[in-house]
Amino acid sequence: DAGITQSPRYKITETGRQVTLMCHQTWSHSYMFWYRQDLGHGLRLIYYSAAADITDKGEVPDGYVVSRSKTENFPLTLESATRSQTSVYFCASLTMNTEAFFGQGTRLTVV
Amino acid sequence: GIQVEQSPPDLILQEGANSTLRCNFSDSVNNLQWFHQNPWGQLINLFYIPSGTKQNGRLSATTVATERYSLLYISSSQTTDSGVYFCAVRRDAGGTSYGKLTFGQGTILTVHP
Repeated sequence: DAGITQSPRYKITETGRQVTLMCHQTWSHSYMFWYRQDLGHGLRLIYYSAAADITDKGEVPDGYVVSRSKTENFPLTLESATRSQTSVYFCASLTMNTEAFFGQGTRLTVV
Repeated sequence: GIQVEQSPPDLILQEGANSTLRCNFSDSVNNLQWFHQNPWGQLINLFYIPSGTKQNGRLSATTVATERYSLLYISSSQTTDSGVYFCAVRRDAGGTSYGKLTFGQGTILTVHP
């Protein structure tokens, strides 16, 4: 399917476990982003990437790791999940002079 | 960083009513988007509007970049318009720092039949 897709859509994990959220886009967009959405904070940027192998921290990067070995994929890893990382995670992509498009979101619960 | 404020925070309408949502931002921006988050949590692109006015059916948006605000108009509202409306701005710099969005807190719209 064309577009930007996230997986899984829902995930429950235990404190201390490693979990990876996947993001895949079919447009060959250069720029990709991870945001988290929490009540009272809106959406906040975690990490972003300008191209394959180029990533940088956003507003709330602590506890997260990203990689981008291929243009179309931008996985987000929680190395040791904490309850404060319970949130809805959105991936987005865009190219120069275009709007950002978002995936469907992943609802993550850390118990 | 840029501050984005949306008003009102909550809005309740009867079907058929019109409404105006406002987005103020604290500094100059290159781009601005309006999104609708539906009850299933999906973020739907409404407008990509760094300046000027655009219309799409019952919705229209105006951005006055020099005065640092944008307005979203919803006419003849329907129950399917319910959800959260977000404004998000960008200050695109060169190189790798491009495309990062700063979101407002959103306006929660409820349309009753």
